[in-house]
Amino acid sequence: AQSVTQLDSQVPVFEEAPVELRCNYSSSVSVYLFWYVQYPNQGLQLLLKYLSGSTLVESINGFEAEFNKSQTSFHLRKPSVHISDTAEYFCAVSDAQGGSEKLVFGKGTKLTVNP
Amino acid sequence: GAGVSQSPSNKVTEKGKDVELRCDPISGHTALYWYRQRLGQGLEFLIYFQGNSAPDKSGLPSDRFSAERTGESVSTLTIQRTQQEDSAVYLCASSLYGPYNEQFFGPGTRLTVL
Repeated sequence: AQSVTQLDSQVPVFEEAPVELRCNYSSSVSVYLFWYVQYPNQGLQLLLKYLSGSTLVESINGFEAEFNKSQTSFHLRKPSVHISDTAEYFCAVSDAQGGSEKLVFGKGTKLTVNP
Repeated sequence: GAGVSQSPSNKVTEKGKDVELRCDPISGHTALYWYRQRLGQGLEFLIYFQGNSAPDKSGLPSDRFSAERTGESVSTLTIQRTQQEDSAVYLCASSLYGPYNEQFFGPGTRLTVL
């Protein structure tokens, strides 16, 4: 069985500060890794994903995440956040070995960017 | 194009009543998923449909929960004899086939059981 742990339920930061949202996973098989974001009053949408190859993946709005197999982590980072980054962020994994296609989600981290 | 739609957006019901939630996936998406999000919790997988294959029902919490999908179109999630612990936001997602593909989520149905 797979599980995802997001250690921080809430992260408040000031605008233009760096931020890291932590995600650790547990799985007996290889996985695909995802970060989904839910902006206020909007549905969940994909932010970025790791499938294979380079362990560093980036989104179009400046977020990046690095897959660390030895630490089973996929932390999300941004060097300078904006007010518009205020949202709830969910880390998720899926089975890369042909098992179920379901996503297993963490409990989410609410990022609040203050002026 | 149109995204995933769900109806109703809100549903308030009395304990013991049956409810039916509807999901219209993106056209051409063969995979359809139902998830549940309880207050303060992550998304919990309920059921997965892929084309004409047998659905993966491994996440359904009890036999009061069931779901159907007609071909590669509309899906309905039915909860019988609702309980207060069924109160949650029920999310539907659709995707192209493959666990590496992005899942596109609907806006959800907020179910409140009194």
